Amino acid sequence: QKEVEQDPGPLSVPEGAIVSLNCTYSNSAFQYFMWYRQYSRKGPELLMYTYSSGNKEDGRFTAQVDKSSKYISLFIRDSQPSDSATYLCAMRGGAGSYQLTFGKGTKLSVIP
Amino acid sequence: DVKVTQSSRYLVKRTGEKVFLECVQDMDHENMFWYRQDPGLGLRLIYFSYDVKMKEKGDIPEGYSVSREKKERFSLILESASTNQTSMYLCASSHDRWYGYTFGSGTRLTVV
Repeated sequence: QKEVEQDPGPLSVPEGAIVSLNCTYSNSAFQYFMWYRQYSRKGPELLMYTYSSGNKEDGRFTAQVDKSSKYISLFIRDSQPSDSATYLCAMRGGAGSYQLTFGKGTKLSVIP
Repeated sequence: DVKVTQSSRYLVKRTGEKVFLECVQDMDHENMFWYRQDPGLGLRLIYFSYDVKMKEKGDIPEGYSVSREKKERFSLILESASTNQTSMYLCASSHDRWYGYTFGSGTRLTVV
């Protein structure tokens, strides 16, 4: 079983839709959870960062972590064409953990 | 903002050539990483470094080496380029173990 599973898509939605992107993981030591956005031919950029379980909101974006289910989500409200990108989840453990473990990314297209 | 600069956006090299990919960060980050990114395979860690002159192998180090003579600079070396090393190469840095990475824009390397 891979440590982090992420549906690669592609996911295509109309402008204004609510988008839900998800990752599951198997390592219960993961404590820090991130979402990166990667535009075509660019490097990933950090979008959201959460610690442990719960929700975090930033504008149209909400990151949700359910550690009991080993499941994380990113919700995008009122999606825009400029949200079209690949979204990668990433996570790391606690003390002594140095590296991020990435999902393979979900490609999202928001159609005007 | 932290900036991670990769010296080339696009490179075309011949099989057997020695190739140098340079990465510089400007925020005094201790940690630096080299990944390659291929469709369907996601990000794969090649090498990383937590301090000057220190390096650790990642998941796919074969055919690569690295150099970190100064804190801000982390170089990836392809000893003898092969066509299966055609890929997008991404450099990243981080300040400490509790935050995400900052990525460069990537170098798209084609080996012919």
